[in-house]
This record gives sequence, structure tokens and C-alpha cells, in this order.
Amino acid sequence: NAGVTQTPKFQVLKTGQSMTLQCAQDMNHNSMYWYRQDPGMGLRLIYYSASEGTTDKGEVPNGYNVSRLNKREFSLRLESAAPSQTSVYFCASSLWTGQGQPQHFGDGTRLSIL
Amino acid sequence: GENVEQHPSTLSVQEGDSAVIKCTYSDSASNYFPWYKQELGKRPQLIIDIRSNVGEKKDQRIAVTLNKTAKHFSLHITETQPEDSAVYFCAVPQEGSARQLTFGSGTQLTVLP
Repeated sequence: NAGVTQTPKFQVLKTGQSMTLQCAQDMNHNSMYWYRQDPGMGLRLIYYSASEGTTDKGEVPNGYNVSRLNKREFSLRLESAAPSQTSVYFCASSLWTGQGQPQHFGDGTRLSIL
Repeated sequence: GENVEQHPSTLSVQEGDSAVIKCTYSDSASNYFPWYKQELGKRPQLIIDIRSNVGEKKDQRIAVTLNKTAKHFSLHITETQPEDSAVYFCAVPQEGSARQLTFGSGTQLTVLP
């Protein structure tokens, strides 16, 4: 039981390049989330998926797209990377039962845009 | 949306002393209040959570208290140890969308030996 697995762990991109961050969970959770964390700041929600087949914008969605591939996998895509997207990206999942539940986080992807 | 304020932003305590971190929120309908610990370079991990039907919850040296009337909740760590040094985040369900969490800005706790 690996929990939430993110790949890659580190990535360096040039401005304008594209890439996809991968996330998979093996806890049979229905909800999945993508956050970014900038130095000295909290976690800001980019997108989330309440259940398979649905996605919704969070607080900072501009410049990103997501795909909920199946119940296990939720990917985040940067179509044209910008230096402002340099950050640590965390994927999380939770089991929604009608009331608040803890979110379980992956180890993060450290992304630098040059 | 939900507004969460977390204080203090930094906290230094001597080993063995207690530490208290407080969060205030705006949505009176909020009913779930988790606390996360994030060590340097690691992922956030849930350490304790509380639901609105109780006022306090304890787990060994960690406790959370909730004051729904005043709309604030606090993390209490007793007998602090160096391994408690980390950033602590509170979170509150997003107003109108309880699946989402709004996180506080974090408190850097340093336990001095």
C-alpha cells in the first residue's frame, strides 16, 4: 500500500515547455487534488476532482489543466511553462463520505522553470 | 470563500515547554478541522483532526480545541521535543464546497534543546 505516488520527484523545464505531472493513489479514494506550495507559504489548490469523471477549478487554476484518467490517477499538465510556475506540487486524495475527511499527500514534485 | 488566519507565523519554545497555535475561520457552517505537520522537504501529514460536535480531542502530547462560537480552533503540543520542529498548517472546509480544504499560511515551530 504505497498511498499517493507522484512522478517525477524533480524536474527542470525551460520557459514555454510543456509537461505532465502524474499522480496515483491506491487507497480507493474518490476525491483527488493538486496543490502548489511556494516558499514560506501554505498550500493553494489548483484543481480537484470530486469523483471519477469530474474536475473543478481551485484557487489558482490559470496555466494548468488536469485529467482524471480513472479512479486511481489524476494528472496535472502545464501547457506552456512560465517561471511563475516554479513551485513544489503536491497531489492529495481523500475519501468523501458526506463530511470532511483528511487528505493524504504524495511526496511532491519539485519543479523549476528557467 | 473561506478565510483562514493562522497565528503565530513563527514560534520558538524550549524543549519540554508547551506550544499553542491558533486558527480563526469565517464560515460558521464549517464542521471539520484538521491539523497537518510538514517537516522540511517532506509532505504534509495529518496529525490530528476534530469535528464540530466535540470541543476537544487529545492524542498523547497533541490536542486540538474548538470554539465554534468564536470560530477558532487551536493546536496544543505539550512536553515539546526537538522532533516536533516543523511547519504546522490548519485547514478548514471551503465554504460551499466541503470537499475542498482551505489551508492556513503555516506556523514554523522550532523546539530549542
